[in-house]
Amino acid sequence: ETGVTQTPRHLVMGMTNKKSLKCEQHLGHNAMYWYKQSAKKPLELMFVYNFKEQTENNSVPSRFSPECPNSSHLFLHLHTLQPEDSALYLCASSQFSGASTDTQYFGPGTRLTVL
Amino acid sequence: AQSVAQPEDQVNVAEGNPLTVKCTYSVSGNPYLFWYVQYPNRGLQFLLKYITGDNLVKGSYGFEAEFNKSQTSFHLKKPSALVSDSALYFCAVRDWIPYSGGGADGLTFGKGTHLIIQP
Repeated sequence: ETGVTQTPRHLVMGMTNKKSLKCEQHLGHNAMYWYKQSAKKPLELMFVYNFKEQTENNSVPSRFSPECPNSSHLFLHLHTLQPEDSALYLCASSQFSGASTDTQYFGPGTRLTVL
Repeated sequence: AQSVAQPEDQVNVAEGNPLTVKCTYSVSGNPYLFWYVQYPNRGLQFLLKYITGDNLVKGSYGFEAEFNKSQTSFHLKKPSALVSDSALYFCAVRDWIPYSGGGADGLTFGKGTHLIIQP
């Protein structure tokens, strides 16, 4: 719909598993984002990549590890997650992170359940 | 930091009636405001944004929003509601998100308002 796709759409994993979320944008954008949407909290920005360069976010636990191999693809690598990490993980992209007027376009999200 | 507030958890409107979903903002400098809609099990869809210029912004699916600087509000409106408009609506403001290692440009969202259109 919006040119941003995410796979898988649903993921169930144990606390000892390692998995990865994938995002791809077909909009020619240069900035990509990971957001977390929990049931009880507002949407939280986790990571930002601008021209493949990550902005460090030390508030996100190290069990979440982003990777951006090129401006069209974004991954979120997950390992030793906790049940409270269960949430909807949304990927977004925009033309450029530094331009405040740019619109962010979101993917459909990955519904993650940690057992 | 910038912030937006959506004072209503839920808004109920009869089909065919006008609808309003409220949003107020608190920013330093010029506000860049956005509205998104989220249908069940879906991502966020962009509806409209205010950057500068006309205070009445028109967006997708017949929605519009009125920017009011004196009241620091950016309410979402539609003249005639449809049952298919039932969804979760988010107001957002462009913000510099500070991290302990620096920061980045992102969106700060309100908590969302459930809009329920009754047939």
